[in-house]
Amino acid sequence: AQSVTQPDIHITVSEGASLELRCNYSYGATPYLFWYVQSPGQGLQLLLKYFSGDTLVQGIKGFEAEFKRSQSSFNLRKPSVHWSDAAEYFCAVGSGTYKYIFGTGTRLKVLA
Amino acid sequence: GAGVSQTPSNKVTEKGKYVELRCDPISGHTALYWYRQSLGQGPEFLIYFQGTGAADDSGLPNDRFFAVRPEGSVSTLKIQRTERGDSAVYLCASSLTLAGANTGELFFGEGSRLTVL
Repeated sequence: AQSVTQPDIHITVSEGASLELRCNYSYGATPYLFWYVQSPGQGLQLLLKYFSGDTLVQGIKGFEAEFKRSQSSFNLRKPSVHWSDAAEYFCAVGSGTYKYIFGTGTRLKVLA
Repeated sequence: GAGVSQTPSNKVTEKGKYVELRCDPISGHTALYWYRQSLGQGPEFLIYFQGTGAADDSGLPNDRFFAVRPEGSVSTLKIQRTERGDSAVYLCASSLTLAGANTGELFFGEGSRLTVL
């Protein structure tokens, strides 16, 4: 069955510290992989996506993610977190069928 | 603005009532999606339109849910005989299809929060 697992429900980091949010997926075909961010009162915004090619992808707001096929993972990273990064982050997997499967999300708290 | 617009932003209704939720996608986006997000969960796929037709409605939970997009732009999600379990945020998204290929980015609206008492 197709699924996305985000094992961390909540993560707290200090401002300026590095961040890694985990995402594991189960998908039969070669997946499209996405990270979205959801801030309070705002819609989901795409941070980055992986379709093919270079397994390290760069996104907006200084985020990057690495696709590791052998580990079925697509972890999101940022070298230095800013207070404005506090939000909920969703990993999603899909294909050309447009039916994306989202994880349950990781809520990020940033300490000043 | 030029983003996906959803109305109403909040809707409170009583069990058994009929509800309509509206989505106005980004101009020129031929693909439109409805997702449902329950508390503490990620968005769950409901239905996908390509143009006027529902290309995939496999996510609709039962026949009380129906969606239309008669002119290939605005879409309405209709819920009949609402139940308390229908309470959730209903998200609409649209995307640009180029030469039949998915560009991969869904643009989401802020959602319509439905509360069924």
